[in-house]
Amino acid sequence: KQEVTQIPAALSVPEGENLVLNCSFTDSAIYNLQWFRQDPGKGLTSLLLIQSSQREQTSGRLNASLDKSSGRSTLYIAASQPGDSATYLCAVRSNYGQNFVFGPGTRLSVLP
Amino acid sequence: EAGVAQSPRYKIIEKRQSVAFWCNPISGHATLYWYQQILGQGPKLLIQFQNNGVVDDSQLPKDRFSAERLKGVDSTLKIQPAKLEDSAVYLCASSLLMAGVGYEQFFGPGTRLTVL
Repeated sequence: KQEVTQIPAALSVPEGENLVLNCSFTDSAIYNLQWFRQDPGKGLTSLLLIQSSQREQTSGRLNASLDKSSGRSTLYIAASQPGDSATYLCAVRSNYGQNFVFGPGTRLSVLP
Repeated sequence: EAGVAQSPRYKIIEKRQSVAFWCNPISGHATLYWYQQILGQGPKLLIQFQNNGVVDDSQLPKDRFSAERLKGVDSTLKIQPAKLEDSAVYLCASSLLMAGVGYEQFFGPGTRLTVL
C-alpha cells in the first residue's frame, strides 16, 4: 500500500528566500506525481505534474524533481513571495492502481 | 475553459440526517474523483469513475455513502445517515483520459460539510 509523507509539516520563511519542500513515498512503482497548492477554504490548484520517466519539471519560479529509486520528490520555490503562502500537497499515482494517494501537506507562510 | 463546478459550497446538518453533493466536471473529462479531506490532512479518495463506471470505491463507506455518475457527466455523492466524523471538505476532481497527458487532475472548490 502506497504511503506518502511530507516534511516539514509547516514552514515559515522571510520573503525572498529560496525554499525546498519534500515529499516521500514508500512504493517506487509510480506512474506520475503531482504537486498542488491549496489556499484556505479553497480547492486544490495543480502546480506541476511529473511523469515517472521525467526527472524534473519547471514552471516559473517552481521546480519539481523526482527520484523514483529513493522514493522522493522535492518542490523548489525560488525568491518566495507572501502570495506563495498556502498548503502544498503532493499526490502519487502508482502503476498498479489508478487512484492518487496524497500526502498530508506542508503549510507554508512567507512573511513580508 | 470552465473548471470543475460543485454545489453547495457549505452545508450544515445534524447527525443522522441525509445530504447530497453535486459535481460537474470539466467538459470532455472521462475520469471523475470524489475525495474527502478532513481538517489538517490530505485528501482521501472515496470513489473514482471512468465515464459512468466505477473504477475504485475501495475506501467508500458503502453502508452510508453512495455515488453515481449518470450519463458519464455530472455526479452526485450522498451520505445517509451522516455521522459526526463525516465533517470534512468533499472535493470533486476530473481528468482527461488521454495517453501521454498523464491524468493531471483538476479540482473543484469543494463542499464544506459540518455535522452537528
